[in-house]
Amino acid sequence: ETGVTQTPRHLVMGMTNKKSLKCEQHLGHNAMYWYKQSAKKPLELMFVYNFKEQTENNSVPSRFSPECPNSSHLFLHLHTLQPEDSALYLCASSQGDRGAYNEQFFGPGTRLTVL
Amino acid sequence: GQNIDQPTEMTATEGAIVQINCTYQTSGFNGLFWYQQHAGEAPTFLSYNVLDGLEEKGRFSSFLSRSKGYSYLLLKELQMKDSASYLCAVVDSNYQLIWGAGTKLIIKP
Repeated sequence: ETGVTQTPRHLVMGMTNKKSLKCEQHLGHNAMYWYKQSAKKPLELMFVYNFKEQTENNSVPSRFSPECPNSSHLFLHLHTLQPEDSALYLCASSQGDRGAYNEQFFGPGTRLTVL
Repeated sequence: GQNIDQPTEMTATEGAIVQINCTYQTSGFNGLFWYQQHAGEAPTFLSYNVLDGLEEKGRFSSFLSRSKGYSYLLLKELQMKDSASYLCAVVDSNYQLIWGAGTKLIIKP
């Protein structure tokens, strides 16, 4: 495997379910990100981890819970979601979380539908 | 507040040239990225500009004017595979990436 991988690619869940999204990067990067992408809206940064420490939490509701056990893996735990949480969830990684030229490498995303 | 503006959608013809504009108002500036995103796929890096001027990379070029808060992505000799969304993102004074909503480019034969 190369680059950034995400599983599952598609997820349908009810509002009372608990599920987790997984992201893995094989690039030796130190920073990892969760983004939410809704149609015709800018990418919304949710969480940033650098060297496994959370450095950003952009006022994300507590029904989204991130976990970063090491620099290569990132999880997003979901519980009691709302229909408006339906979106594409993208994971990205970069060398660090600061610096001007800090190209981010993205995974293919998980298409989440909340019923 | 911080703001990135791009057209929502553009249409162009195969073989032609198209220019996608991006204007920004951000707290500080530490560079501007362009990413390409095909439907259902990951965004992929196209270019990075931090100094004024034109950067050319094959069929794609990116221009930056910091004084005007303006950039454009120029795509030449359009191919059907160039149909995608193009995302503009600015690095602000806190080294955070501020994203535009993206421009969906439709290429017609």
